[in-house]
Amino acid sequence: QKEVEQDPGPLSVPEGAIVSLNCTYSNSAFQYFMWYRQYSRKGPELLMYTYSSGNKEDGRFTAQVDKSSKYISLFIRDSQPSDSATYLCAMGPLASAGNNRKLIWGLGTSLAVNP
Amino acid sequence: ETGVTQSPTHLIKTRGQQVTLRCSSQSGHNTVSWYQQALGQGPQFIFQYYREEENGRGNFPPRFSGLQFPNYSSELNVNALELDDSALYLCASSLGGAHGDTQYFGPGTRLTVL
Repeated sequence: QKEVEQDPGPLSVPEGAIVSLNCTYSNSAFQYFMWYRQYSRKGPELLMYTYSSGNKEDGRFTAQVDKSSKYISLFIRDSQPSDSATYLCAMGPLASAGNNRKLIWGLGTSLAVNP
Repeated sequence: ETGVTQSPTHLIKTRGQQVTLRCSSQSGHNTVSWYQQALGQGPQFIFQYYREEENGRGNFPPRFSGLQFPNYSSELNVNALELDDSALYLCASSLGGAHGDTQYFGPGTRLTVL
């Protein structure tokens, strides 16, 4: 079983729809969670990060973490064609200087928002 | 704009050759991580450098090696290139310490091995 599972999609929605993207994980040591957006042939761009369970909102984006279920979500409201990209979840244990740390990544979900 | 830059943007090599990829971290960041991302896959961690020392390594063979310089820029070297090394190579920088978990990525170097 992979440490992080993410449905690769593709997911296709009409403009204005609410999009829900999800990842599950198995390692209870994971304490911080991130969502990245990656456009074709570009590097990932950090969208949101959180250290705690619950919801974190930033504009049209809401990140949700449920540590008891080991499940995280990213919601996109009023989706736009410019949101069409691959969305990657990444997570890891809390880190301190000098310790080995790495992000564990999902495969990414490909999203297409159709005008 | 994250401030992380990588060079070159594209590179074509043949099997058996060696390649050096470069990364300049965001100002103030002392940690650089390198990732390999094959088409349709998530990034795979290669290694991380913190204050010029290797600070963890993923499941990559020794022909993948790196350096970090006093200005915290970094190089990734790959020897004896194989066809499967064709991928997007990503560099990410972070601040280190308690705030070091958030990594900011450069645009990547796309390597094609023929």
